[in-house]
Amino acid sequence: SAVISQKPSRDICQRGTSLTIQCQVDSQVTMMFWYRQQPGQSLTLIATANQGSEATYESGFVIDKFPISRPNLTFSTLTVSNMSPEDSSIYLCSFEGGVGNEQFFGPGTRLTVL
Amino acid sequence: AQSVTQPDIHITVSEGASLELRCNYSYGATPYLFWYVQSPGQGLQLLLKYFSGDTLVQGIKGFEAEFKRSQSSFNLRKPSVHWSDAAEYFCAVYNTNAGKSTFGDGTTLTVKP
Repeated sequence: SAVISQKPSRDICQRGTSLTIQCQVDSQVTMMFWYRQQPGQSLTLIATANQGSEATYESGFVIDKFPISRPNLTFSTLTVSNMSPEDSSIYLCSFEGGVGNEQFFGPGTRLTVL
Repeated sequence: AQSVTQPDIHITVSEGASLELRCNYSYGATPYLFWYVQSPGQGLQLLLKYFSGDTLVQGIKGFEAEFKRSQSSFNLRKPSVHWSDAAEYFCAVYNTNAGKSTFGDGTTLTVKP
């Protein structure tokens, strides 16, 4: 199966700054997903990213706060903009594949905002 | 809209004991159902999935799950738990129309020696 990686694995950032998280897949995939997992909670879908089109955001998430790029079929970035401590979470990227639409997840980026 | 409920937030079992993690779903059509495991500091890994056919599905690491349509359940089981099974477990349902998955809140498994 394809390998999916994320950079950085963790970061500590100051309030008001922005962080861009990179997600790389070692094969071409159509749909990529970005999730947020707040401490002790489940995964919340932020947006779906298809190559060549704008990302589709879930309710409660907006492009100005979480701009996403999808320049090709193997790569995507999520930017967390103007960060506040409430943005402290694990951010996970994933893609869909296989029979039955299972998802393959990256290892996550653990973000702490001071 | 689909939803997934994992009634047990935290379960503790002794090593070697059997395990059952509960999952109930709400979905209008035949569901695609998944169990994922997340070890500390790791991403999620697929344990098993159901989308058609035999309602008892086998997964990795000795796990199995049974789809029961009448009960809207997809409970995860393992006959003998190992200390390395301590992790967070997530049940998920895939919405084929929307093209995305909904995850339960997760169950934290602690394994006592």
